[in-house]
Amino acid sequence: QSALTQPPSASGSPGQSVTISCTGTSSDVGSYSFVSWYQQFPGKAPKLLIFEVSKRPSGVPDRFSGSKSGNTASLTVSGLQAEDEAEYFCSSFAGSHNWVFGGGTKLTVL
Amino acid sequence: EVQLVQSGGGLVQPGGSLRVSCAASGFTVSNTYISWVRQAPGKGLEWVSVTYSGGNTYYADSVKGRLTVSRDNSKNTLSLQMNSLRPEDTAVYFCARGTTKNAFDIWGQGTVVTVSS
Repeated sequence: QSALTQPPSASGSPGQSVTISCTGTSSDVGSYSFVSWYQQFPGKAPKLLIFEVSKRPSGVPDRFSGSKSGNTASLTVSGLQAEDEAEYFCSSFAGSHNWVFGGGTKLTVL
Repeated sequence: EVQLVQSGGGLVQPGGSLRVSCAASGFTVSNTYISWVRQAPGKGLEWVSVTYSGGNTYYADSVKGRLTVSRDNSKNTLSLQMNSLRPEDTAVYFCARGTTKNAFDIWGQGTVVTVSS
């Protein structure tokens, strides 16, 4: 199973919106609504931000939103804040007791 | 508090073995599924294995036959036994609780495994 494809970096100024893409295949992202996104700070464990493409766990600000079209999922961070500077990973269930993650996108707040 | 606390890991020579443990509190591991996910230095996340409530475990092709997960329900703990280790197994290993929506909502703090001579 190949990793999902994410841009290595993204950036935006405070208050702006940034969208991070996550491209898979018809065997993972394109087949399931089980796409999730994680935020990770250096030296820390990932934190669940989005599950089932667009749902937020309790406590996650509504500035974070997710969507999917075909084999590509997206995470949008609106109203960028300095504390959003982190690495973001997407993941998809791939069937047959299998998951696949993306390579990660480092978000810089300018 | 719902959490996963990891222990073990360290430095091992190629071909050697190592064990990493993941202890749960605030929930019962045998009532849910737990995955292991690893992150090589400067790289993305890689799914490694899943252990379901019934006890069945499935592995990524990259580790099949070399990594084995066991579960001790009395200690509410999972262990990842790693044998025939290779330099490319060098990574931070995380255990993570799975949800009914195939996401991972609780993560351990991570354990460093370094395979080097």
